[in-house]
Amino acid sequence: DVVMTQTPVSLSVSLGGQVSISCRSSQSLVHNNGNTYLSWYLQKPGQSPQLLIYKVSNRFSGISDRFSGSGSGTDFTLKISRVEPDDLGVYYCGQGTQYPYTFGAGTKLELK
Amino acid sequence: QVQLKESGPGLVQPSETLSLTCTVSGFSLTSYGVNWVRQPPGKGLEWMGTIWNDGSTDYNSALKSRLSISRDTSKSQVFLKMNSLQTEDTAIYLCARDGRRGRDFDYWGQGVMVTVSS
Repeated sequence: DVVMTQTPVSLSVSLGGQVSISCRSSQSLVHNNGNTYLSWYLQKPGQSPQLLIYKVSNRFSGISDRFSGSGSGTDFTLKISRVEPDDLGVYYCGQGTQYPYTFGAGTKLELK
Repeated sequence: QVQLKESGPGLVQPSETLSLTCTVSGFSLTSYGVNWVRQPPGKGLEWMGTIWNDGSTDYNSALKSRLSISRDTSKSQVFLKMNSLQTEDTAIYLCARDGRRGRDFDYWGQGVMVTVSS
């Protein structure tokens, strides 16, 4: 199975600040078809996960441009700028390149 | 709008079979796949399996021997059955639509908490 390693485990940020979350995969996430199936999700307290980013850098419908994804191969990053209170929760990266689909263990974003 | 809602028993006896239903609206099961994902309390996400728009299925190999996913398109329902439940199967079970863009999960249900205990 592809192991997804997220760092850091938790992150403290001031409102208005910027943060980066790293996600590394144990194998390349480039599919045979040339696509890289790396997604990012936010799970707010008491809620289900919500899709933020798909295929590394594409924002899902309605997602603010304060969220940006980048990376390639095995190294990926989610950046959040101008952090707002509604951004707090646990962020997960997930891969859909290889079965079984797998997720990182999560990064908890908290207020400083 | 797109909605998914899980339903099923909250408590299952060890060694018994879990049966859950995901009822969807706002889209057709013949156009989109639906996934089951579970989350043990306070822990991360585990993909369990997918039923695709053509009715074919893919399963997590770790669960494949115990898991079955099916659907009734006329009722817009997807079903999960998993047998031989153990305490480590205690989790929130969620269904999520396949995004069709990038093997992502674009809409999620609220989840149903299932406790395996005698």
